[in-house]
Amino acid sequence: DTGVSQDPRHKITKRGQNVTFRCDPISEHNRLYWYRQTLGQGPEFLTYFQNEAQLEKSRLLSDRFSAERPKGSFSTLEIQRTEQGDSAMYLCASSLGTSGRDTQYFGPGTRLTVL
Amino acid sequence: DQQVKQNSPSLSVQEGRISILNCDYTNSMFDYFLWYKKYPAEGPTFLISISSIKDKNEDGRFTVFLNKSAKHLSLHIVPSQPGDSAVYFCAALNAGGTSYGKLTFGQGTILTVHP
Repeated sequence: DTGVSQDPRHKITKRGQNVTFRCDPISEHNRLYWYRQTLGQGPEFLTYFQNEAQLEKSRLLSDRFSAERPKGSFSTLEIQRTEQGDSAMYLCASSLGTSGRDTQYFGPGTRLTVL
Repeated sequence: DQQVKQNSPSLSVQEGRISILNCDYTNSMFDYFLWYKKYPAEGPTFLISISSIKDKNEDGRFTVFLNKSAKHLSLHIVPSQPGDSAVYFCAALNAGGTSYGKLTFGQGTILTVHP
């Protein structure tokens, strides 16, 4: 069991550039979640997928953010025209099942710094 | 709009003593509560959960108490060990609603257990 993996672990970019993060969930987990965590705060929900379908998006997910899970396996989160306020830790989690109570397993996160 | 609050940013206890971490919530639709533990450079790890139909759940050294009328929950760790030193996040969700699996987190409490 390799757990949830995220790539890259760290990303430094200049304001205005586009960035893309990847998340590989635990094998056969049908649900995948993206959260964002800023300094001194807990993770905040961004979006989630049931297999390949994106079922909910937070108001935090502006038009510059897009997430995909094309084959119901790995997922990507893209941020276009990055802003300094996008600097945060981006966490991915996955779970197995159809209940909201199913345990979510988190990856180590991708730390984004926008200069 | 902080729906889940952990008002103590940090807690320091002696090894062998009890650690009590507190959490308050405002959304009466929350019906499932969880505690996650986070070590540096790792993602949050699920620790223990409780349904709103219960007032206590125990797992080894960890016990979670829920007071629905006060919208308050607490995590007790007895006895505390140095390896318990981490950031603890309280989280809540409306498991029966349409936001399946959307966790709302508190800000976290840094627990330090001294040998």
